[in-house]
Amino acid sequence: QKEVEQNSGPLSVPEGAIASLNCTYSDRGSQSFFWYRQYSGKSPELIMSIYSNGDKEDGRFTAQLNKASQYVSLLIRDSQPSDSATYLCAVNRRNNRLAFGKGNQVVVIP
Amino acid sequence: DADVTQTPRNRITKTGKRIMLECSQTKGHDRMYWYRQDPGLGLRLIYYSFDVKDINKGEISDGYSVSRQAQAKFSLSLESAIPNQTALYFCATSETDRGYGYTFGSGTRLTVV
Repeated sequence: QKEVEQNSGPLSVPEGAIASLNCTYSDRGSQSFFWYRQYSGKSPELIMSIYSNGDKEDGRFTAQLNKASQYVSLLIRDSQPSDSATYLCAVNRRNNRLAFGKGNQVVVIP
Repeated sequence: DADVTQTPRNRITKTGKRIMLECSQTKGHDRMYWYRQDPGLGLRLIYYSFDVKDINKGEISDGYSVSRQAQAKFSLSLESAIPNQTALYFCATSETDRGYGYTFGSGTRLTVV
């Protein structure tokens, strides 16, 4: 089992719609969870962090964490063309290093 | 100025050449990391350092070496570059507290011909 899995293929959403991304992780001892946005050829940029079960909202982004089921999700509301990017899920493991998923590409169609 | 600076931004080198990628940070973080990113493979950890005297191999350290010259500087060397080391390389830093994520440099695009 991979440490962090992001299984969905590229996601195309119309402008103004909600984009939903999911991520599962294997280490039950993980305590900190992050979402990064990466534009093509650029470096990953931290957009959300979440530590407790439930939802955390920041602007148009909502991160959701369920430790019992070992999944983290990211919702992007009112999607804009500028949201077109690859989104990386990252989990801080007990050895205190981040494990990254391979990412999900989001394409917002005007 | 960027918090995490990588040089060079782009580099083309020949097979067999030695090349060094440099990373410096102004965030005051103790922890520094080197990753490479390839299409379809995601970010893979090459080496990491939790302080100046602590250097650790990551998932794919073969063919690479590192030097932590100071808290703020962490260099990655390819002793004898080969074409499959063509990739986008990122340096990252983090706080000691694992509640914080990483801050990435802007990356070095390396091409080995």
